[in-house]
Amino acid sequence: SQQGEEDPQALSIQEGENATMNCSYKTSINNLQWYRQNSGRGLVHLILIRSNEREKHSGRLRVTLDTSKKSSSLLITASRAADTASYFCATDNFGNEKLTFGTGTRLTIIP
Amino acid sequence: DVKVTQSSRYLVKRTGEKVFLECVQDMDHENMFWYRQDPGLGLRLIYFSYDVKMKEKGDIPEGYSVSREKKERFSLILESASTNQTSMYLCASSFMESSYNEQFFGPGTRLTVL
Repeated sequence: SQQGEEDPQALSIQEGENATMNCSYKTSINNLQWYRQNSGRGLVHLILIRSNEREKHSGRLRVTLDTSKKSSSLLITASRAADTASYFCATDNFGNEKLTFGTGTRLTIIP
Repeated sequence: DVKVTQSSRYLVKRTGEKVFLECVQDMDHENMFWYRQDPGLGLRLIYFSYDVKMKEKGDIPEGYSVSREKKERFSLILESASTNQTSMYLCASSFMESSYNEQFFGPGTRLTVL
């Protein structure tokens, strides 16, 4: 079953604008991760936020986690054409090496 | 630079053929995973392995088997390929430590079954 569900399914913005994607999940988690996938390629890990953290930054990325609402958001600031990709959230359960991936948000940056 | 490699980027097979997809990682990871990715369905776990010769079924194991004879290599086998197994197949690996279980992915194999 799908643990993470991203919203929106697709997003198009102008270069330089900020992009926000959301992820909702159903069960308790140990951590939540975000991955990027360029067209036709494998996934690349972007950032991990633990269940006891509320916000985390990495370069132009900002991730928030609200465990009471079982949701997370990924913000990409000052978007670039190279940010065009699909973005997936992934969640795990405590003591479980498996991740459950959502269906992804397709982000298009318009130059 | 850490690396997960997959034996083929593109593969075309006929219905009923036996298909082997191979994955190799050079990071000494304990865990290895096989996913398939289909439009609108995201990534679905087929099988994973947490040690040599150990395997566990994922969410959609039917029609697939796996083999892990060496720590660095994890093979996905389609015993008798069918057209509904046309998909993108992704291999990944990670450390056993579950508190930081980032997965590293290979480039994917796009399999077409005719």
